[in-house]
Amino acid sequence: EIVLTQSPGTLSLSPGERATLSCRASQSVSSSYLAWYQQKPGQAPRLLIYGASSRATGIPDRFSGSGSGTDFTLTISRLEPEDFAVYYCQQYSNALYTFGQGTKLEIK
Amino acid sequence: EVQLAESGGGLVKPGGSLRLSCAASGFTISIYSMNWVRQAPGKGLEWVSSISSSSSYIYYADSVKGRFTISRDNAKNSLYLQMNSLRAEDTAVYYCASPGPRGIAVAGNSWGQGTLVTVSS
Repeated sequence: EIVLTQSPGTLSLSPGERATLSCRASQSVSSSYLAWYQQKPGQAPRLLIYGASSRATGIPDRFSGSGSGTDFTLTISRLEPEDFAVYYCQQYSNALYTFGQGTKLEIK
Repeated sequence: EVQLAESGGGLVKPGGSLRLSCAASGFTISIYSMNWVRQAPGKGLEWVSSISSSSSYIYYADSVKGRFTISRDNAKNSLYLQMNSLRAEDTAVYYCASPGPRGIAVAGNSWGQGTLVTVSS
């Protein structure tokens, strides 16, 4: 089973700043099989990025994904107040899905 | 509008059973695989089970294998999760999710609002 480790656990930033979230895999992951989600308290997750770098429908272009192999990154170019939430990466391999433990993005 | 609506959660004693349902509207699930994903209180997301569009391929997380059964009724546009031999560690919000047109590698392009399952004596 591929384990995804996200860092940092908590990221404290101010609106307008740039956020960089990391997702590291225990084994190489196909870029086509790496996704990112945003979850706000009391809500279901929301798909942000699929295929490592493609934005899902309706996702603002301040969100971008990159990476390959074992290292992937979600970047939010300029934080808006509504971006403060928990972010999860997810991979698919051998018909199984695994999620990272999440990064909490909080207002500084 | 694409919607998924889970139901069937509640309080159950350890060792008990519960059946979750997920009704889809705004799209036809028959051409997509479907997933169950859970989230224990204050914890992260955990994939539980997947079923292919025709039910030919079914997969489970090791944590639920042999206790949970996923099924679907494409005619009713619905997904199900039969949960037996429930344990305290199964306590979680259970989400129904569809990869939709994003492909099978995405656990959920669309998600339900979740249904809470609490296993406690």
